[in-house]
Amino acid sequence: DAGVIQSPRHEVTEMGQEVTLRCKPISGHDYLFWYRQTMMRGLELLIYFNNNVPIDDSGMPEDRFSAKMPNASFSTLKIQPSEPRDSAVYFCASSFRDFAYEQYFGPGTRLTVT
Amino acid sequence: AQSVTQPDIHITVSEGASLELRCNYSYGATPYLFWYVQSPGQGLQLLLKYFSGDTLVQGIKGFEAEFKRSQSSFNLRKPSVHWSDAAEYFCAVCPAGGYQKVTFGTGTKLQVIP
Repeated sequence: DAGVIQSPRHEVTEMGQEVTLRCKPISGHDYLFWYRQTMMRGLELLIYFNNNVPIDDSGMPEDRFSAKMPNASFSTLKIQPSEPRDSAVYFCASSFRDFAYEQYFGPGTRLTVT
Repeated sequence: AQSVTQPDIHITVSEGASLELRCNYSYGATPYLFWYVQSPGQGLQLLLKYFSGDTLVQGIKGFEAEFKRSQSSFNLRKPSVHWSDAAEYFCAVCPAGGYQKVTFGTGTKLQVIP
């Protein structure tokens, strides 16, 4: 298996623009997680899905952030409008239901908002 | 609420020397405990986990960790460090059985010198 795939790997955008981050989980995994990593706040769970359904989005910082999972093999995290404080590395991870703690992380998307 | 503390932000060890990374947790009951490693530019990878039973757990890459309930600690150890171990290490915790919401520590960056 190719592992969790994220695109793009790097994104530079201007404040106010819409940003869409993409994730393809490992085939057969039931859970999908979106994390944000910054120097100041460390690794934060933003939202997670089970069988394509959002279960807990309490970590989503504000309404500018939204996440979808239209099918088992694809998820997006959208920021609209983007702000400089959104600059971070965003990770997607997936896991199998019986071992949901063993999360397989993608390589991350480094987002820079200028 | 559960929390994880990694008191050392940065540690430097010589190649071949032993290593111990500290982790303390705060939780009402015995949680599930994990150590993840993040190599530069990569996502996190699970090193080892503790659920119950033997308090000394073995992981990949020659790492082990010991759970000490009396000290609320789960320290990571390796007898002899290799240059390839240079990375950032994250301790993590989740409620027993509720393993979807894993809380990560702030990480300890390990530097290995020749």
